[in-house]
Amino acid sequence: EAQVTQNPRYLITVTGKKLTVTCSQNMNHEYMSWYRQDPGLGLRQIYYSMNVEVTDKGDVPEGYKVSRKEKRNFPLILESPSPNQTSLYFCASRDTAPGELFFGEGSRLTVL
Amino acid sequence: AQKITQTQPGMFVQEKEAVTLDCTYDTSDPSYGLFWYKQPSSGEMIFLIYQGSYDQQNATEGRYSLNFQKARKSANLVISASQLGDSAMYFCAMREGPRAGGFKTIFGAGTRLFVKA
Repeated sequence: EAQVTQNPRYLITVTGKKLTVTCSQNMNHEYMSWYRQDPGLGLRQIYYSMNVEVTDKGDVPEGYKVSRKEKRNFPLILESPSPNQTSLYFCASRDTAPGELFFGEGSRLTVL
Repeated sequence: AQKITQTQPGMFVQEKEAVTLDCTYDTSDPSYGLFWYKQPSSGEMIFLIYQGSYDQQNATEGRYSLNFQKARKSANLVISASQLGDSAMYFCAMREGPRAGGFKTIFGAGTRLFVKA
């Protein structure tokens, strides 16, 4: 089954404690991205990757890091989480055309 | 810069009636794609329908159709014969073409649809 898998689905952490949200896709997509969803703001792109070792900032990259060492994996790293990073996070991948996004199930992160 | 606007935070519709969810966009790239996604209360994001900027006809997928008015830069989603299961958040999204980078898909703020029995 074609899917994007994120882990963990739910996480409560404290300010400053580094965490990683993993994302893996099995569709051989070159493009992957991370979004955060906040009420009233829709989904905002954090980082995206066009292929292995190629990443770029989205609209809200501050406080986040990513890496793309393998085609299927695109982890999101919060080096020093802060309460304003409390959000619902989605990983997504897509093919070239038409380019609809395939989303993971979401990771709800709370930073205390 | 590209922008997506959904002006209806919430809408109600009677079961079995049609409903239109509004979406306007702004881009300077002549090549772009428009998408609609559904997010039920369970939280997952579900792709509904796609319209390319050069497509001559409005896209349709079952009960979903996209009313594409290029000159007005609008891409409204029409859901016919609403069902209770259509109650969800709906997001309009746009991805610009290769000339503008084509790597970012941006989303509107969403419209929450409530279907009444």
